[in-house]
Amino acid sequence: QVHLVQSGAEVRKPGASVKVSCKASGYTFTNYAMNWVRQAPGQGLEWMGWINAGNGNTKYSQKFQGRVTITRDTSASTAYMELNSLSSEDTAVYFCARGIWSAPHRDYYFDNWGQGTLVTVSS
Amino acid sequence: DIQMTQSPSTLSASVGDRVTITCRASQSISSWLAWYQQKPGKAPDLLIYKASTLESGVPSRFSGSGSGTEFTLTISSLQPDDFATYYCQQYNSYSTFGQGTKVEIK
Repeated sequence: QVHLVQSGAEVRKPGASVKVSCKASGYTFTNYAMNWVRQAPGQGLEWMGWINAGNGNTKYSQKFQGRVTITRDTSASTAYMELNSLSSEDTAVYFCARGIWSAPHRDYYFDNWGQGTLVTVSS
Repeated sequence: DIQMTQSPSTLSASVGDRVTITCRASQSISSWLAWYQQKPGKAPDLLIYKASTLESGVPSRFSGSGSGTEFTLTISSLQPDDFATYYCQQYNSYSTFGQGTKVEIK
């Protein structure tokens, strides 16, 4: 059974960075992509980017390009999302989600999700 | 960027009702569309992918249709467990979600 377990809640000051982890189990980590999606309080879902856990290739939403870095540690079956230059608008729950490849030159839909990590940005 | 617009934003319905949610894309996405259900404080659950393929384990009262720019999610007979927020997601190019449709008790 697939499990994605994320790190705990974080509080940061404006201008700081945060790194959230997502440990995968129950499947071959390197056979899938890991996506990151966030949800501000009371708001909808917003895709941030993905990493191909096999070859390390990444793709980011243009909104977050230059401010987000997604990495992985294959030995630990863990993906990471680091977001820099935080502001209050980055206060949100951050989810990792396993991506299912659909077709060449298409992106992923998400069949399993982590439990979410609340990141609060406040001075 | 491909924009996804869901309607309605909120839907009031009763147990046993047939419910339809619409999702429109700003450009053609072929059938590269998924639907998710989210309950408060929880991660979303995948319901449908490739516009009309039911994810394993999802009740058959859920169905999806459409292609190109217009898509629908239908719940044939609303059950108490179905009161939740529903999101569409295009994965044709990058990934974008609709703003969500909250299905509430009438």
